[in-house]
Amino acid sequence: GQQLNQSPQSMFIQEGEDVSMNCTSSSIFNTWLWYKQEPGEGPVLLIALYKAGELTSNGRLTAQFGITRKDSFLNISASIPSDVGIYFCAGFIQGAQKLVFGQGTRLTINP
Amino acid sequence: GAGVSQSPSNKVTEKGKDVELRCDPISGHTALYWYRQRLGQGLEFLIYFQGNSAPDKSGLPSDRFSAERTGESVSTLTIQRTQQEDSAVYLCASSTDSGGEKLFFGSGTQLSVL
Repeated sequence: GQQLNQSPQSMFIQEGEDVSMNCTSSSIFNTWLWYKQEPGEGPVLLIALYKAGELTSNGRLTAQFGITRKDSFLNISASIPSDVGIYFCAGFIQGAQKLVFGQGTRLTINP
Repeated sequence: GAGVSQSPSNKVTEKGKDVELRCDPISGHTALYWYRQRLGQGLEFLIYFQGNSAPDKSGLPSDRFSAERTGESVSTLTIQRTQQEDSAVYLCASSTDSGGEKLFFGSGTQLSVL
């Protein structure tokens, strides 16, 4: 089945630093999404990408849909304490109406 | 309510007992999903409902797992004869027909099998 490889698995950074994480797949996806999960909560959608090469921003977050449609990255600029959490990439399979998730990147920020 | 609601939030059970987990999706959302998240892991797809039908049950780990949805609303995930490896957070999500990729998640049920 489809698998998403997300890296890094964890990051420990200082407040104010920029963050970059990425996701690759052996399969092509129609849509790439990035979710954030905080402790005790379900994931919340951050950004959705629909076209190969698309670059989309949401505040300090920027994500890109790779031109091969097999990868995506997420950047966070000028990190703040509330950015702490687990970030998941997800690929959407149009016909199957199913989201496949990566293993997550756990972000920890030292104040 | 405004969001996806799951109950109970925590469930502790003994090995071999049956458990039922409930999900109330966002009103009007036709699609409903169940995912499992083991400690420190990603989300593992279990089952997808469109209306009251389940076109994709491919993620259910074994015949001990079953799910149903009624009234195009509430869904129940049942795990029979629970095993310790069933311990995980079970997450429910819903979405509209046209926005199928934009899932709205509940806070999950933390299941602990002793």
